[in-house]
Amino acid sequence: EPEVTQTPSHQVTQMGQEVILRCVPISNHLYFYWYRQILGQKVEFLVSFYNNEISEKSEIFDDQFSVERPDGSNFTLKIRSTKLEDSAMYFCASSVAQGADNSPLHFGNGTRLTVT
Amino acid sequence: TQLLEQSPQFLSIQEGENLTVYCNSSSVFSSLQWYRQEPGEGPVLLVTVVTGGEVKKLKRLTFQFGDARKDSSLHITAAQPGDTGLYLCAGAVTAGGTSYGKLTFGQGTILTVHP
Repeated sequence: EPEVTQTPSHQVTQMGQEVILRCVPISNHLYFYWYRQILGQKVEFLVSFYNNEISEKSEIFDDQFSVERPDGSNFTLKIRSTKLEDSAMYFCASSVAQGADNSPLHFGNGTRLTVT
Repeated sequence: TQLLEQSPQFLSIQEGENLTVYCNSSSVFSSLQWYRQEPGEGPVLLVTVVTGGEVKKLKRLTFQFGDARKDSSLHITAAQPGDTGLYLCAGAVTAGGTSYGKLTFGQGTILTVHP
């Protein structure tokens, strides 16, 4: 079964450094998402992306965050200047169509980001 | 902000027992998803319920969406050790009638089924 793949599985970075998290969504999917989960807390929505544009973003997704689909297969999340509180598991997801009601989100296995 | 309260947070039972996990909100969701998440992996979808009052069954798992689409439950009959894991509910949020795939997650239920 096709999978969403994320790399790296674990990223350690120093505070203030830029980090790029990479995702390869399922090939026929058109809608892409980033979620994050801080240790011990709920999974939180960051951003949804379609047709090379952000569809919706949460208040967490401030100017330090950006997303890009640089080619036909990759979907990236960039954090410009990492903070300690950015340490979390970041999940990429994709879906065939818009919305979760009739088009389930498929999640990757996540990238654990540790900011020191 | 739409919140989903999931309970209980921890559940430890013996093999063969039945259990129910609840997900409650004061907000209406266009749909409710239930996921299972294994350590080191992403959430894997079990079921989506869309219609108020809807009941879906997946082998020994029964999922129900409340009539008002504000709450949901997951009932497991005759639990087995293989059911051990983290169960998450997530509500789909709409903006102006459109769901952009923004899910609001509950805090999860860690289920342990002892042989």
